Amino acid sequence: EVQLVESGGGLVQPGGSLRLSCAASGFTFSTYWMTWVRRAPGKGLEWVANIKRDGSERYYVDSVEGRFTISRDNAKNSLFLQMNSLRAEDTAVYYCARARDHYYFDYWGQGTLVTVSS
Amino acid sequence: DIQMTQSPSSLSASVGDRVTITCQASQDISNYLIWYQQIPGKAPNLLIYDASNLETGVPSRFRGSGSGTDFTLTISSLQPEDIATYYCQQYYNFPYNFGQGTKLEIK
Repeated sequence: EVQLVESGGGLVQPGGSLRLSCAASGFTFSTYWMTWVRRAPGKGLEWVANIKRDGSERYYVDSVEGRFTISRDNAKNSLFLQMNSLRAEDTAVYYCARARDHYYFDYWGQGTLVTVSS
Repeated sequence: DIQMTQSPSSLSASVGDRVTITCQASQDISNYLIWYQQIPGKAPNLLIYDASNLETGVPSRFRGSGSGTDFTLTISSLQPEDIATYYCQQYYNFPYNFGQGTKLEIK
């Protein structure tokens, strides 16, 4: 059974940092692109970042470029999102998801809440 | 960036009704379109990919159509468990933008 479990969310002050993790199981992690998607309170879904199977390609939405870094550890079946210089508008539930055939987000975690507030 | 515009933003319908949600892309995206369903308190769920392909396990009352810039998600006979927000997403190029969502409620 495919499972994705996010962790690392919490309350952080503006300008602070957080590192989200996503533990994957039930599939061959190293053969899939992975993604982070977020949903801010009262808003819709927003794609945040994608990473290729071997980590050699990474793509970001403009609003996080230069502040967030997506990475992965295939030996540990884990996906990460390092978030620096956090802003109030980064407050959201962050989901990791598996990207079947590069594009189709077919399995999702339950999400982890990030709140940026003083 | 490709912008995705959904309509309506919210919709109220009765059980058994046929429901249609539209999604328009700001440029031609061929059939590079996905539909997701997000039930309140849950993670999103993949319904339709490549504009018209039904994901395994999704009820056949869901149908996707369209290509180019105009796309449609149709629920042929609305069920109570379909209460959710529906999103389209393009994957023609990065950033993989979503539409703003359509919140579906039961009358």
